[in-house]
Amino acid sequence: SAVISQKPSRDICQRGTSLTIQCQVDSQVTMMFWYRQQPGQSLTLIATANQGSEATYESGFVIDKFPISRPNLTFSTLTVSNMSPEDSSIYLCSVDLRGSTDTQYFGPGTRLTVL
Amino acid sequence: GENVEQHPSTLSVQEGDSAVIKCTYSDSASNYFPWYKQELGKRPQLIIDIRSNVGEKKDQRIAVTLNKTAKHFSLHITETQPEDSAVYFCAAITGGGNKLTFGTGTQLKVEL
Repeated sequence: SAVISQKPSRDICQRGTSLTIQCQVDSQVTMMFWYRQQPGQSLTLIATANQGSEATYESGFVIDKFPISRPNLTFSTLTVSNMSPEDSSIYLCSVDLRGSTDTQYFGPGTRLTVL
Repeated sequence: GENVEQHPSTLSVQEGDSAVIKCTYSDSASNYFPWYKQELGKRPQLIIDIRSNVGEKKDQRIAVTLNKTAKHFSLHITETQPEDSAVYFCAAITGGGNKLTFGTGTQLKVEL
């Protein structure tokens, strides 16, 4: 099975700054996704990272706040921009390993605290 | 869009008993229903999934049932063990798309 890694695993940031989170897979995958999980809550899809084109954002999430890159089939980044304490969450990437565009496997997550 | 409701929010059972978690979905076009287990501080892990052309699927102590007419699906865990204690999330994906919509989660506690 493939290995999905994220960097950093956790960070504490000051409000107004930005943080870029990396997601790396050890095999090529078609679909990569970014989710947010606020403390004690469920998972909410932020966007689908499309290779070679702009990400597809879900309602309530915008590119200026959460710019996403997908330069190739094994790597994606999510930036959380101009952070506020409300952005404190766990950010997870997921990938479709089986190529079916259905089954998703998650990275270990990045725990972000904004002071 | 899809809406997934999950019940109960917390569930406490004695070791060896069965646990059942139920979910309903709103979009009749949904055709894939995974279940994830998330231990404290860990990533969600896929434990079982079912597609809309199947009514039931089993994997050892875990089973999932799907009722397309009623638009609900359930997770059944038999002979529960302390290591089953975790938060369980159901999810649904709409046909033709790849967006997973998650339920609100069930905190399962298996007591000795």
